Amino acid sequence: DAMVIQNPRYQVTQFGKPVTLSCSQTLNHNVMYWYQQKSSQAPKLLFHYYDKDFNNEADTPDNFQSRRPNTSFCFLDIRSPGLGDAAMYLCATSRDSGVGGYTFGSGTRLTVV
Amino acid sequence: EDQVTQSPEALRLQEGESSSLNCSYTVSGLRGLFWYRQDPGKGPEFLFTLYSAGEEKEKERLKATLTKKESFLHITAPKPEDSATYLCAVQRRNNNDMRFGAGTRLTVKP
Repeated sequence: DAMVIQNPRYQVTQFGKPVTLSCSQTLNHNVMYWYQQKSSQAPKLLFHYYDKDFNNEADTPDNFQSRRPNTSFCFLDIRSPGLGDAAMYLCATSRDSGVGGYTFGSGTRLTVV
Repeated sequence: EDQVTQSPEALRLQEGESSSLNCSYTVSGLRGLFWYRQDPGKGPEFLFTLYSAGEEKEKERLKATLTKKESFLHITAPKPEDSATYLCAVQRRNNNDMRFGAGTRLTVKP
């Protein structure tokens, strides 16, 4: 089945230690998104790639970076995780504007110790 | 700025007890309003897109409706497996971003 796969499902990292989360998709969608979701809160868009074009949200901290080496893969890098970065990180994909809805992965739960 | 407000925050129903979830929104130039279902520890699962006021969509026990200011997700005769958080989101024209509400956490007791 075509899908969006996030690895790992759970990630524990030390305060200040760089961490990378990965997302892959078999849908051949041209747009990929990273959302941060804290407990009982709305998912918050961090950035998205429209094809190779990177679009950063104005309030996304500089601590968060992303790479998209090809259509299928996208990475979220957190350069110096703080305790406030503990959250579920969701990757999503869509074809163009996404009016048919986004397809989400199962998420990576990040814990910072 | 776009805003999405969902109510109630949490809803507990008995199996078979129909009810509605509300999503109020403010957006400049609506492209679409979306409903998703999210199970604990998982990513949201797409349910519906509504494009214009008066539109309705149905899927099993769920029916979504849209006005110019709000959307309702009606749940008819819910079952325990309908328990989940239901998220509403809006997308503006000429913009790929989707702004989500905080969700309604629905619990259906047998």
